[in-house]
Amino acid sequence: GDSVTQMEGPVTLSEEAFLTINCTYTATGYPSLFWYVQYPGEGLQLLLKATKADDKGSNKGFEATYRKETTSFHLEKGSVQVSDSAVYFCALNPLTGNTPLVFGKGTRLSVIA
Amino acid sequence: NAGVTQTPKFRILKIGQSMTLQCTQDMNHNYMYWYRQDPGMGLKLIYYSVGAGITDKGEVPNGYNVSRSTTEDFPLRLELAAPSQTSVYFCASSPGLAGVETQYFGPGTRLLVL
Repeated sequence: GDSVTQMEGPVTLSEEAFLTINCTYTATGYPSLFWYVQYPGEGLQLLLKATKADDKGSNKGFEATYRKETTSFHLEKGSVQVSDSAVYFCALNPLTGNTPLVFGKGTRLSVIA
Repeated sequence: NAGVTQTPKFRILKIGQSMTLQCTQDMNHNYMYWYRQDPGMGLKLIYYSVGAGITDKGEVPNGYNVSRSTTEDFPLRLELAAPSQTSVYFCASSPGLAGVETQYFGPGTRLLVL
């Protein structure tokens, strides 16, 4: 079935550092791709999404580009802040099966001042 | 506008006990979902509902039951708690099918079965 693989965490960065969290997927067809963020003690929130190849999703300084040729949707931010500390989940919307979203395992990011 | 609310926040159960996790949304969304999140893992769908009176199984439904008598409420029932059900449970809702429409998540219920 469809699946999502994320880089293992935790990731620890200093404030203003560049962030990349890798995400690759295996899927039938061309699903929509998502990044969700979970701040401490809260539920998940949609961060950004892309619905077709070469689309770029962006929000709050984060970006991710849907790369069909490499089946990837890496999350990037040019300058992280302490407030970006959270768990980030990559997900896809499978075209078959009984779940609307397939999630990766999550990557914990800690940003230190 | 409260969004998606869940109660309780935390609960300890003994093996064999039962309990109901409550979920309410005030956004008039048709679709509602229950997920579990095990440590170091992504979310797995337990059950979902496309409207009042309609529910269906997700990836990991065994040991759980749901009902959807109103648009707002979607309780999750554990009948005979087992240690394997120790997890964090998230309820979510969306106006249409998730993946097409954005899902909105509650803050979660942490359950420990001993």
